[in-house]
Amino acid sequence: EVQLVESGEGLVQPGSSMKLSCVASGFTFSNYGMNWIRQAPKKGLEWIALIYYDSSSKYYADSVKGRFTISRDNSKNTLYLEMNSLRSEDTAMYYCAKGGRTGFDYWGQGVMVTVSS
Amino acid sequence: DIQMTQSPSFLSATVGDRVTINCKASQNINKYLNWYQQKLGEAPKRLIYNTNSLQTGIPSRFSGSGSGTDYTLTISSLQPEDVATYFCLQHNSGYTFGAGTKLELK
Repeated sequence: EVQLVESGEGLVQPGSSMKLSCVASGFTFSNYGMNWIRQAPKKGLEWIALIYYDSSSKYYADSVKGRFTISRDNSKNTLYLEMNSLRSEDTAMYYCAKGGRTGFDYWGQGVMVTVSS
Repeated sequence: DIQMTQSPSFLSATVGDRVTINCKASQNINKYLNWYQQKLGEAPKRLIYNTNSLQTGIPSRFSGSGSGTDYTLTISSLQPEDVATYFCLQHNSGYTFGAGTKLELK
């Protein structure tokens, strides 16, 4: 059974940094691209970052480009999202999702990130 | 960027009803359209991929159709466990989600 478990939830001040993790199990993690997706309160879902299976390519939404960094450690079956210069508009539920040619097939339950002074 | 317009935003239906939810893309997305179900406090679950392919383990009362810019999710006979929010995703060019449809029992 595919499982994706995010961690790193919390409340931070504007301008600060935070790192999320997503531990994968139930599939060969090193064979698949992985993504981060977020949903701000009372807003729709927004894809924010993709990393290829071998970390050879990374893509970001314009809203986070230059501030967020996606990475992975295939030896630990873990996906990361390093978030810098956080803004109030980054307040959202953050999901990791397994990628593939047919879009996102499995998602984690998400972690809440709140940016507020 | 491709925009996705999902309708309705809210839907109230009776057990046994046929339910349809629509997504309209701002341009042709070549059937690269997925449907997801999200229940409160749970991870989103993929129901349908590439317009009409049923995800393994999903009941056959769920089906998808469409082409070009217009796509539909159909629940042939609504069950109590189908109460959830449903959203579409286009993955033809980047990734864009519909705003979601909250489905409740009447």
